[in-house]
Amino acid sequence: DAKTTQPPSMDCAEGRAANLPCNHSTISGNEYVYWYRQIHSQGPQYIIHGLKNNETNEMASLIITEDRKSSTLILPHATLRDTAVYYCIVRVDNAGNMLTFGGGTRLMVKP
Amino acid sequence: GAGVSQSPSNKVTEKGKDVELRCDPISGHTALYWYRQSLGQGLEFLIYFQGNSAPDKSGLPSDRFSAERTGGSVSTLTIQRTQQEDSAVYLCASSPRWGKSGNTIYFGEGSWLTVV
Repeated sequence: DAKTTQPPSMDCAEGRAANLPCNHSTISGNEYVYWYRQIHSQGPQYIIHGLKNNETNEMASLIITEDRKSSTLILPHATLRDTAVYYCIVRVDNAGNMLTFGGGTRLMVKP
Repeated sequence: GAGVSQSPSNKVTEKGKDVELRCDPISGHTALYWYRQSLGQGLEFLIYFQGNSAPDKSGLPSDRFSAERTGGSVSTLTIQRTQQEDSAVYLCASSPRWGKSGNTIYFGEGSWLTVV
């Protein structure tokens, strides 16, 4: 699987947009970009994923650069409950289909 | 069920005892995964199942760990002769299909194991 690089921590003011970056410069053409988050030591929660195009769902938006070497997860109106560790993961096709978690970004949403 | 279900949610056991952790995946999901996470650490992949078979068991930490899956559904992770370093949250996950990219994996809430 391609490696990802994320800042270890970020702060965001409550109500503002949280923009979490991820670099995946060695991503392959058939690898998807996935985002999960983990609150305390609960099970990781799926947020969103994409291949080439930008994606949006009820939780977040995912912006993938045209060369696919980086992406940004956007939480449009962060709340205190969004405080968590956010993981950006890319997955190799047919490689056990598992997720390999890196260090992630610890997002702290502050009042 | 609606999500991945794990039991027990919490387990305290004495060193040297055996424990079984159960995972009930989302109905119809053919792929099942086990991870563990020690306190303050990252997620460590243990094993996955394609249907009832586990092609790669190399992620299991030692031969005290074993896992099985029957009927393509429920899976059990067994830890024999537990040690204090086995204390962690054990997370199970499932996904709908095997070997297809873009295949979302969903996690349960985990089983917290404390070995005293």
